[in-house]
Amino acid sequence: KNEVEQSPQNLTAQEGEFITINCSYSVGISALHWLQQHPGGGIVSLFMLSSGKKKHGRLIATINIQEKHSSLHITASHPRDSAVYICAVRSGGNKLVFGAGTILRVKS
Amino acid sequence: DTAVSQTPKYLVTQMGNDKSIKCEQNLGHDTMYWYKQDSKKFLKIMFSYNNKELIINETVPNRFSPKSPDKAHLNLHINSLELGDSAVYFCASSQAQGKVTEAFFGQGTRLTVV
Repeated sequence: KNEVEQSPQNLTAQEGEFITINCSYSVGISALHWLQQHPGGGIVSLFMLSSGKKKHGRLIATINIQEKHSSLHITASHPRDSAVYICAVRSGGNKLVFGAGTILRVKS
Repeated sequence: DTAVSQTPKYLVTQMGNDKSIKCEQNLGHDTMYWYKQDSKKFLKIMFSYNNKELIINETVPNRFSPKSPDKAHLNLHINSLELGDSAVYFCASSQAQGKVTEAFFGQGTRLTVV
C-alpha cells in the first residue's frame, strides 16, 4: 500500500462544477504539497500546506493533520483545469512521497 | 526566466549507451532532486543533493550517477542504458534542507531507450 493515496483516480466534470480531490497519507509529515501536471508534462506547485487552509483564485486546499487527510477543491471548473493533480507529502529526510495522481478532465 | 531548466527535453537512445541529463536552477536554492516518473505517471525520488552533498540516495541501480558541480547544478548520468530506464525524469529544487519549502520542478526529460 502506498504511503499516499489519492481519490478519485479519474474524474470527469462539466464546466462550472465544483471539484474535490482527496489525499490521505499514513506517515508523519512536515508538509503536504499539491502539484499540477499538464498534458505537456511540466509540473507546477499549487500549494504547500502544513495546517489549515489556503486559497489561490479558484483553488482551495485544506489539510487535517489529525486525520491525515487533505483535499483540493476547484470552484467553477474550466476546461483549462484539465490536468493531473498530484498530492505529495514531505516526510523524513526532506523527500517528497507522491500519490498516484488524479486525472481530471473538464468538459465544456 | 526559467527557474529550473532541464536539457534535453527529449532523449531517444539505444540500449547500452551512456547519456546525461543536465539540470540548472537559478533560484538560489540549496537542495536539488531527481525524480523518475514511470509509464503509470507515478513519481519516485531518486536522489537529493544539498549544497553539492548527496543527502538521499534511494534504491536505484548504480548505473545512475548524479553529479553536482555546484549548488545550482545537478546532472544525472546514466551508464549502459536499459529498456526499463525509459521514463520521464524530473529535476526539482527547494530551499534549505532543514526548512520545509515549496519545490520547483523542471519541465522533465522524456527518455526513450530503444
